[in-house]
Amino acid sequence: EPEVTQTPSHQVTQMGQEVILRCVPISNHLYFYWYRQILGQKVEFLVSFYNNEISEKSEIFDDQFSVERPDGSNFTLKIRSTKLEDSAMYFCASSQLANSYNEQFFGPGTRLTVL
Amino acid sequence: GENVEQHPSTLSVQEGDSAVIKCTYSDSASNYFPWYKQELGKRPQLIIDIRSNVGEKKDQRIAVTLNKTAKHFSLHITETQPEDSAVYFCAAVGDDMRFGAGTRLTVKP
Repeated sequence: EPEVTQTPSHQVTQMGQEVILRCVPISNHLYFYWYRQILGQKVEFLVSFYNNEISEKSEIFDDQFSVERPDGSNFTLKIRSTKLEDSAMYFCASSQLANSYNEQFFGPGTRLTVL
Repeated sequence: GENVEQHPSTLSVQEGDSAVIKCTYSDSASNYFPWYKQELGKRPQLIIDIRSNVGEKKDQRIAVTLNKTAKHFSLHITETQPEDSAVYFCAAVGDDMRFGAGTRLTVKP
């Protein structure tokens, strides 16, 4: 069964550095998402992406964040000038159709640790 | 934007008992309500979902109900087993997907 994959599984970075988290969505899916989960807390929506542009973004997704689909398979989340509070698990997800009525499939996550 | 509240935050039951988790949402435009199970350190896994034109849905030991008028939906797990122990998240989907705060379910053998 096809799955969403994410790399790396764990990223450690120094405060102020930039990180890029990578995701490979399921191949016939058209909608892509990033979520964040701070340890022990709920999953929080960051951004959705369709047709090479952002569809929706939450209040968390400020100018520090950006997303890109650099080629036909990868979907990336860039975090500039990382802060301690950016430490979290970041999940990518994809769905075949738009949000409504359609299951989103989650990747295994990237654990980001900012020191 | 959407606000999803989930209760209880923790739930402990004896094996074989039922567990009920409740969620409310605020945005009447939300029309899809998935439930996710998350085991420690793993990704959320969809266990059941319900769409806004359906009041109840059942899949073996798991059922979900939806009351659109009251804007609440519930997860029911019957005949609980120790392997049901996990954190369960409800979510409401409209323009985006908003999760509840999660319920840590512990099923004691």
